[in-house]
Amino acid sequence: AQSVTQLGSHVSVSEGALVLLRCNYSSSVPPYLFWYVQYPNQGLQLLLKYTSAATLVKGINGFEAEFKKSETSFHLTKPSAHMSDAAEYFCAVSDQGSGNTGKLIFGQGTTLQVKP
Amino acid sequence: DTEVTQTPKHLVMGMTNKKSLKCEQHMGHRAMYWYKQKAKKPPELMFVYSYEKLSINESVPSRFSPECPNSSLLNLHLHALQPEDSALYLCASSQDQGRGTGYTFGSGTRLTVV
Repeated sequence: AQSVTQLGSHVSVSEGALVLLRCNYSSSVPPYLFWYVQYPNQGLQLLLKYTSAATLVKGINGFEAEFKKSETSFHLTKPSAHMSDAAEYFCAVSDQGSGNTGKLIFGQGTTLQVKP
Repeated sequence: DTEVTQTPKHLVMGMTNKKSLKCEQHMGHRAMYWYKQKAKKPPELMFVYSYEKLSINESVPSRFSPECPNSSLLNLHLHALQPEDSALYLCASSQDQGRGTGYTFGSGTRLTVV
């Protein structure tokens, strides 16, 4: 069964600093992986997705993530944090196993704080 | 149109009330989902509809009743809810169930049960 672990429930960075949000996955089949962002009192917005094409995936708002099969990781990065990046970030894997439900399995989330 | 629209945005209901949440998409997606999200937690899947048929029910209590009248609409009927059902209810859609293309989420309905 697929699962996702986000390391660090809370990450704080200074404006202009590198953002690194960590995600490790477990999957018995080639995974489909996603990063979503959620602003307060909003739904989830897709930042980027990996679906077995290029391992370096570029998303919206300057974010990117690299799929590393050997490390079972899909960490999210942004070179320079902006105040507007403060939000909750969820890593998710799509259930592609037997039954292929397509169900999204979420990590516990990471709160990104950006300090001026 | 690349949005999932949910109404109402906020809902307060008593434990004896009956209310409905609505969700609409016009992207031609054939899979639609209801998720429940408590504060500071990830969304939890409740129901999946695929081609207008209920595909997955994650053992949700019967006081929650989903309905998919057509390929663009998804409802969630609520009856005799409990205070612990207060949460953000999110609707989502995807091109197909199981395609791995990712979901498009609505902004949610903030439900408070009093």
